[in-house]
Amino acid sequence: AQKITQTQPGMFVQEKEAVTLDCTYDTSDPSYGLFWYKQPSSGEMIFLIYQGSYDQQNATEGRYSLNFQKARKSANLVISASQLGDSAMYFCAMELGGSQGNLIFGKGTKLSVKP
Amino acid sequence: DAGITQSPRYKITETGRQVTLMCHQTWSHSYMFWYRQDLGHGLRLIYYSAAADITDKGEVPDGYVVSRSKTENFPLTLESATRSQTSVYFCASSDLATEQFFGPGTRLTVL
Repeated sequence: AQKITQTQPGMFVQEKEAVTLDCTYDTSDPSYGLFWYKQPSSGEMIFLIYQGSYDQQNATEGRYSLNFQKARKSANLVISASQLGDSAMYFCAMELGGSQGNLIFGKGTKLSVKP
Repeated sequence: DAGITQSPRYKITETGRQVTLMCHQTWSHSYMFWYRQDLGHGLRLIYYSAAADITDKGEVPDGYVVSRSKTENFPLTLESATRSQTSVYFCASSDLATEQFFGPGTRLTVL
């Protein structure tokens, strides 16, 4: 069954340091996409980064990068130079090819950035 | 303004009542989605729609009804609300070429 697993319910990081949020996925479909969303305490869902299963290079968006290891079925989010505003819930999600956009979400990781 | 809006933002209702949550998007996206977010479960798909008059069930559709007579609107109805439907509901839209864009959410409490 298709599944997203985020094993870290909560994490702390010192301001200005880098942090990695773990995400593993399970699917036998060769075509899929992986997303990361941020949910601050205000509640909105903010798209961060996307990686397609056929993309050769790891995706990057500013301070966000996705460490995509296909053989391990992992899609970890790396945030460089953490800022206080990065404190939020982070969700990893998977979209299967042909699923008409349906996203399967992990349960999230709560990141707290310490000053 | 362009975007995706949900109304109401907060709703308190009683068990057994019918409740409709509204979702409106201005991008003319073909696809629209309803998710519910519960502590410990992340977001789970309730229903989705690929176009006007085309809807399909997601992971947790029981107790919910949707319709999509116009591309821009995708209302979600709880026909007879139960306490287990207390949750935060998110609507999202996409053209599948980009990520899903989420509305601000509706916090529903069923007493």
